[in-house]
Formats: sequence, structure tokens, C-alpha cells
Amino acid sequence: GAVVSQHPSWVICKSGTSVKIECRSLDFQATTMFWYRQFPKQSLMLMATSNEGSKATYEQGVEKDKFLINHASLTLSTLTVTSAHPEDSSFYICSAPHSGYGNEQYFGPGTRLTVT
Amino acid sequence: DAKTTQPTSMDCAEGRAANLPCNHSTISGNEYVYWYRQIHSQGPQYIIHGLKNNETNEMVSLIITEDRKSSTLILPHATLRDTAVYYCIASASYNTDKLIFGTGTRLQVFP
Repeated sequence: GAVVSQHPSWVICKSGTSVKIECRSLDFQATTMFWYRQFPKQSLMLMATSNEGSKATYEQGVEKDKFLINHASLTLSTLTVTSAHPEDSSFYICSAPHSGYGNEQYFGPGTRLTVT
Repeated sequence: DAKTTQPTSMDCAEGRAANLPCNHSTISGNEYVYWYRQIHSQGPQYIIHGLKNNETNEMVSLIITEDRKSSTLILPHATLRDTAVYYCIASASYNTDKLIFGTGTRLQVFP
């Protein structure tokens, strides 16, 4: 199956700093990628749709100036959490649909962000 | 996307079949039923999807009712490694359609 990677797998940062998370499709191209956030014992919440070559589409209630998304190439999307605060501590997961497989999406392993 | 309803949790003995129900009574004609699972602290994993016919792969079977208002995911011989949260999602087939996750069913397989 298709493989999606994320980097870093975990990160600890101080309040007020920015953190960048990378999502890569390793063996296929993805013009669209999705970013999710998951708090402990909760389901995944879709944050935004990342589109290669155009602006990301954010879900209602997600601050686009705080969660910057850049889809730099057909295999890379980045999520930057700007001016992070403790309440941004969460598990961030990306996914990418493989164009040959309908809406069968492949998820990265996730990035655990802890803001102190 | 159509809303889905699943039981919060289920238990299953190792080696027995696990039948995971999902209600999607408002599913539209162009929406497939997708199943994903998430093992603790990992990204979700695609399992299977179907439109109106029953589907089977090496891991599971998906049974969709004739009116498409509900479905059941069947793990024929559950193992301890199948302990996970299972999500049933109704989504259109094109790959730019976002997946909206519900609360899912937490399946606990016990020895």
C-alpha cells in the first residue's frame, strides 16, 4: 500500500514558539492532503485541506493564521503551528488520498506536539 | 457527508468473530461506506469500502444492507492485535472528498 510519513514523530516546544510538521507521500503524488488534530480519547477532527498550488481550505473554527499550511510540492505538505500555546498540545495527523484508489486515504503515523 | 452512528465500545474473545455495526440512514447515492481503524497512538489505517454490494478482503468482510442504511464490518477471527477504534465513514468516491470521523467503536479483544 501507499506510504505517508510525518516528521517529527514528536516535538516539545515552549509556549510562544512556532513548530513545523511535515507530511510526505513517499511513493505516490498527492495534489490534496488533509490535516487532522486528535485530543486524548477523542476522535480525529479535520482541520484543513491542503491543496498543491493553491491556498488551503480550513474547517470552521480553525484559525488559518495560527495553523499555516503550505503544499509545496506533489509529495509534501507542511503544517506550522504559530505562537504555540499549551492548548495546542495534541496529536496531529495528515492523510493523502491515492489517486488510483478512490477515496481510500493513507494516513501518516502522527506527530505528538507538547507545548510547555 | 452522511452522519454515521456506531456503538461506543464492544468486546470480543480472541478467535471469535467480531461484528461491528454502523448506521448510516442518511447516506446519499454517491457515497461509499468506508471503514478505517486506529490502533492506539498511530494514524488510522484503511480497511475496506463498499457501495452496495458486500465486499471481502483478506482481513474482513463488509455487509451492506439492501437499502444501504446500515452496514456491518466482520472480523472473522479476531486477534489481540485487532484491538483498536474502528471508524465507519460515508464519503463520496472522489479523492478530494474529506473524511469526517465520528466517535467510532472501541473494540477490545480479550484472551
